[in-house]
Amino acid sequence: GAVVSQHPSRVICKSGTSVKIECRSLDFQATTMFWYRQFPKQSLMLMATSNEGSKATYEQGVEKDKFLINHASLTLSTLTVTSAHPEDSSFYICSARDHGGRVGRTEAFFGQGTRLTVV
Amino acid sequence: AQSVTQLGSHVSVSEGALVLLRCNYSSSVPPYLFWYVQYPNQGLQLLLKYTSAATLVKGINGFEAEFKKSETSFHLTKPSAHMSDAAEYFCAVIIDQTGANNLFFGTGTRLTVIP
Repeated sequence: GAVVSQHPSRVICKSGTSVKIECRSLDFQATTMFWYRQFPKQSLMLMATSNEGSKATYEQGVEKDKFLINHASLTLSTLTVTSAHPEDSSFYICSARDHGGRVGRTEAFFGQGTRLTVV
Repeated sequence: AQSVTQLGSHVSVSEGALVLLRCNYSSSVPPYLFWYVQYPNQGLQLLLKYTSAATLVKGINGFEAEFKKSETSFHLTKPSAHMSDAAEYFCAVIIDQTGANNLFFGTGTRLTVIP
C-alpha cells in the first residue's frame, strides 16, 4: 500500500516553544490530508482537514491560531503547535488519501504518529 | 449524525480462541465502514473495509467482518487469536453524503491475548 511518512516520531519541547510536525505522502499525491489527535487510551479526534493550496478546515473547538496547518504541495502537510503547553502533549497522527480518490474507492493511509511531550 | 459505537473497551481472549470485536454504526444512508489496528506508539493500519460490495469482507492477518444492515453492525472476527493480534482496534465510518470524506472513529477496543 501507499506510504505516509510522519516526522518526528517523538519530540519533547519546553513550554512556550513551537513544534512542527511533517506529514509526507511518499508514493502518491494527496490533495487532502487529515490531522488527528489521540489522547491516552482514547480514540482519534479529527482536528483539521488540510487542503493543498488552500486554508485548512478546522473542527469545532480546535484553535486554528494554535495549530497551524500548511499544505504547500501535493505531498507535504505540516502541523505547527505554537506556544506549546503541557496540555498539548498528545499523540498526533496524519493521514492522506490518493489524489482524486473517491470515498470508498481508496483508503486513508496513516503516518506513524508523533508523540509530543511538552515540559 | 453519523457515528460508530464499539462495545467493550477491553476484550481478552486466550491464544487460539475466537476474536469478536463489536461495532455498530448509525447512518441514514449506506455507509463505508473500516477496521483499523493500532500498535503502541504507531499509526493506524487498515485491516479491511466495506464499500457496498460483498457483505462479508476478508482482511489481512486472518480477520474478517460482516456488514449486517438489519443490525447496523460490522463486527470484526478472527477464528483463532494469535499473540501478535494484541493491539488497539478502531472501527471507522465515512458517510458519503457529507462530502467531507472524513473518517469518524469509534472509541477503540483494546485486545489482549492470553497465552
